Amino acid sequence: QVQLQESGPGLVKPSQTLSLTCTVSGGSISSGSYYWSWIRQPAGKGLEWIGRFYTSGYTNYNPSLKSRVTISAGTSKWQFSLSVNSVTAADTAVYYCVRECSGSYSCGGHYYMDVWGKGTTVTVSS
Amino acid sequence: DIQMTQSPSSLSASVGDRVTITCRATQNIGRYLNWYQQQSGKAPELLIYSASTLQSGVPSRFSGSGSGTDFTLTINNLQPEDFASYYCQESYSTPYTFGQGTKLEIK
Repeated sequence: QVQLQESGPGLVKPSQTLSLTCTVSGGSISSGSYYWSWIRQPAGKGLEWIGRFYTSGYTNYNPSLKSRVTISAGTSKWQFSLSVNSVTAADTAVYYCVRECSGSYSCGGHYYMDVWGKGTTVTVSS
Repeated sequence: DIQMTQSPSSLSASVGDRVTITCRATQNIGRYLNWYQQQSGKAPELLIYSASTLQSGVPSRFSGSGSGTDFTLTINNLQPEDFASYYCQESYSTPYTFGQGTKLEIK
């Protein structure tokens, strides 16, 4: 059973870079059946899709964040990462790493986010 | 971007009730619509994908329907563990967007 776990600093200063890592257990990011994504949720608010990464190196970002975001493979096939630069208080949120079924044959042609990490809270404050 | 509008934003109901949550898209998304449940302080969990397919392990009292722009999530025979927030999400095109959420509370 695949599990995801986010890790990284819980406090980031304004204008600096937020960096998070997602560790995948029970599987690897090399699987061609999935995208590896990041979603965030400000306290008391809804969910925002940040972007996703595919094993080929393909990435896809939310235009609202595109110029500040990078999602990439980690240092092993069991990790992927998120980087958001020039952060402000508006980037304060719970950040989730997520596995998304990619519409592949093994996913029955469907697209959905079926495995979520528990989330990590990042606060942007001086 | 596709905008997703859920209604109601909050809902009070009792154990054993049947409730319906609706989600409307600003353009035709076919059946590319997923539903998630989020318990307080926890990560969302997938309930239904492709508008009506129940995720493995999800109780059959949950059901989804719709296509195009209008979708519904129905919960029959509400159980205490169902009181949570629910989100719809379109998977038709990126950037993926979510509804604003429906908070289901105990009456």
